[in-house]
Amino acid sequence: KAGVTQTPRYLIKTRGQQVTLSCSPISGHRSVSWYQQTPGQGLQFLFEYFSETQRNKGNFPGRFSGRQFSNSRSEMNVSTLELGDSALYLCASSSGQGTIGAFFGQGTRLTVV
Amino acid sequence: AQSVTQLDSQVPVFEEAPVELRCNYSSSVSVYLFWYVQYPNQGLQLLLKYLSGSTLVKGINGFEAEFNKSQTSFHLRKPSVHISDTAEYFCAVSDMDSSYKLIFGSGTRLLVRP
Repeated sequence: KAGVTQTPRYLIKTRGQQVTLSCSPISGHRSVSWYQQTPGQGLQFLFEYFSETQRNKGNFPGRFSGRQFSNSRSEMNVSTLELGDSALYLCASSSGQGTIGAFFGQGTRLTVV
Repeated sequence: AQSVTQLDSQVPVFEEAPVELRCNYSSSVSVYLFWYVQYPNQGLQLLLKYLSGSTLVKGINGFEAEFNKSQTSFHLRKPSVHISDTAEYFCAVSDMDSSYKLIFGSGTRLLVRP
């Protein structure tokens, strides 16, 4: 069974640009959550999607958005990139049991220059 | 609101020695507890989790943790570490009633020396 796949693994963007990250969950999993990991703030919850609906959202500005498709794949978008958005973005998928059955992907390393 | 404290940012230890990584949490509601490991440039791998029942939880790679409700702690232990255990370890909690997100501690870097 394939794990959680995040693409791309590495990304370099310029300040002011926008970026889209992708997450393909484990087959059969309908919940996808996103986390941001930075040296200063640690691991922080961004948002969670279940069956194409955003169910929960963390304390991030509106520049951070996401969506989920009918096949459960999810994308995360960050507009008007700032230097502080440089981080490892992690995606976790779950069968619907929430955090109990969550599996994480390898992450996408975003560098904003 | 929940919070997680990992007091030790780095723990150096010699190979084959025992190790304990400390985790304390604060919460007004019942929580699930987790330990994750992160190797360089990798995602998070679940080591073990406490949901209910026995307070001693055994995980992968020889790790175990004990839930202590009175001390609100969930310390991770391993009786004999290997070089390959060098990594970052994160303790996390999740609200039992609405378990959609994990609240993570700041992490402890375990450095195993030969």
